[in-house]
Amino acid sequence: KAGVTQTPRYLIKTRGQQVTLSCSPISGHRSVSWYQQTPGQGLQFLFEYFSETQRNKGNFPGRFSGRQFSNSRSEMNVSTLELGDSALYLCASSLDAGTGYNEQFFGPGTRLTVL
Amino acid sequence: AQSVTQLDSQVPVFEEAPVELRCNYSSSVSVYLFWYVQYPNQGLQLLLKYLSGSTLVKGINGFEAEFNKSQTSFHLRKPSVHISDTAEYFCAVTPSLTGTASKLTFGTGTRLQVTL
Repeated sequence: KAGVTQTPRYLIKTRGQQVTLSCSPISGHRSVSWYQQTPGQGLQFLFEYFSETQRNKGNFPGRFSGRQFSNSRSEMNVSTLELGDSALYLCASSLDAGTGYNEQFFGPGTRLTVL
Repeated sequence: AQSVTQLDSQVPVFEEAPVELRCNYSSSVSVYLFWYVQYPNQGLQLLLKYLSGSTLVKGINGFEAEFNKSQTSFHLRKPSVHISDTAEYFCAVTPSLTGTASKLTFGTGTRLQVTL
């Protein structure tokens, strides 16, 4: 079974631009979560989507948004990019069958550099 | 809210020596606890988890961790490390009430550097 895939793997943008990152979860997984990883702030939870609805949200400004499609694929968008948005963005999916613990499986990440 | 403290940012160790990576957490509710490993230019891989039951949990690659509720700790150990264990290790928690692990709170990471 294929793992979590994220595209693109690397991205360079300039300040003020916007960017869209994509995540394809493991087949059958219904929950997709996004994390930002930076040297200064570490790993921080952005948001989680389940059945096309945002179920959890971290403490990030409104410039960060996401969505999930009916096939569970997810995208996140960052508008008006700032230098501080340079980071590795990780996506994780889980089965979320509704009972008990469901392991999150992480993708390789998208490395975003803002110049 | 939860918080995780990894006391060591870097741990150098010789190959075949034992190692312990320390993790303490703070939470007002019951939590699930995890250790993840990240190799260069890769995502996170789950090493082991504590959900309930036995406080000593065994994971992949010979790692184990012990949950200590009174000390709010979840230290990771390996009796004999290998060069291939060189990586970044993250401790994480999530509230157990939700029954899922969709909102993980991570520590700042410990860089394990194994040398010959």
